[in-house]
Amino acid sequence: AQSVTQPDIHITVSEGASLELRCNYSYGATPYLFWYVQSPGQGLQLLLKYFSGDTLVQGIKGFEAEFKRSQSSFNLRKPSVHWSDAAEYFCAVGALTGGFKTIFGAGTRLFVKA
Amino acid sequence: DGGITQSPKYLFRKEGQNVTLSCEQNLNHDAMYWYRQDPGQGLRLIYYSQIVNDFQKGDIAEGYSVSREKKESFPLTVTSAQKNPTAFYLCASTFTGTHTGELFFGEGSRLTVL
Repeated sequence: AQSVTQPDIHITVSEGASLELRCNYSYGATPYLFWYVQSPGQGLQLLLKYFSGDTLVQGIKGFEAEFKRSQSSFNLRKPSVHWSDAAEYFCAVGALTGGFKTIFGAGTRLFVKA
Repeated sequence: DGGITQSPKYLFRKEGQNVTLSCEQNLNHDAMYWYRQDPGQGLRLIYYSQIVNDFQKGDIAEGYSVSREKKESFPLTVTSAQKNPTAFYLCASTFTGTHTGELFFGEGSRLTVL
């Protein structure tokens, strides 16, 4: 069965510093991979997605992620964090099993300090 | 503007009562989903529907029921059989044709059992 692991429950970075959020997945075939962001009390918004092709994908708000098949990873990066990036980030894997389902990791909460 | 509308945003319920959460979308999406969110556990899939008059159980369907009588609507009923219903509930939708899998989310409904 597919699964997603986000090893960091929370991360704190200084404003202007770089960011990397880790994500590992388990899936038998080439996965559909996603990163979503959630502000408190809100729904989720898609940051970026990977299906095939170039393994480095660009998203909104200056985020990027790299798919590494050998490591089963899809880490999210941003070169310079802004205070408005403070939120919860979810990695997810999509699978075509009895219809298209998306499985989410437990999330990583990002704190940004001035 | 197109989007997903969930109502009510906040709901309080006494033990033993059924409650129904509304989810309406005007994005012309085929598939709709209900997720439950608890702190530290990410999003867990309750039910999903790929087409009208058809739906499938997700990972935590016990104590919940759904219907899909119209393409635009996918209400979730939290029954008295759900042992721990206090949570944040998120509805989402997507196109199935392209299988890109990007989910569009509503703003959520927070259910509290008193």
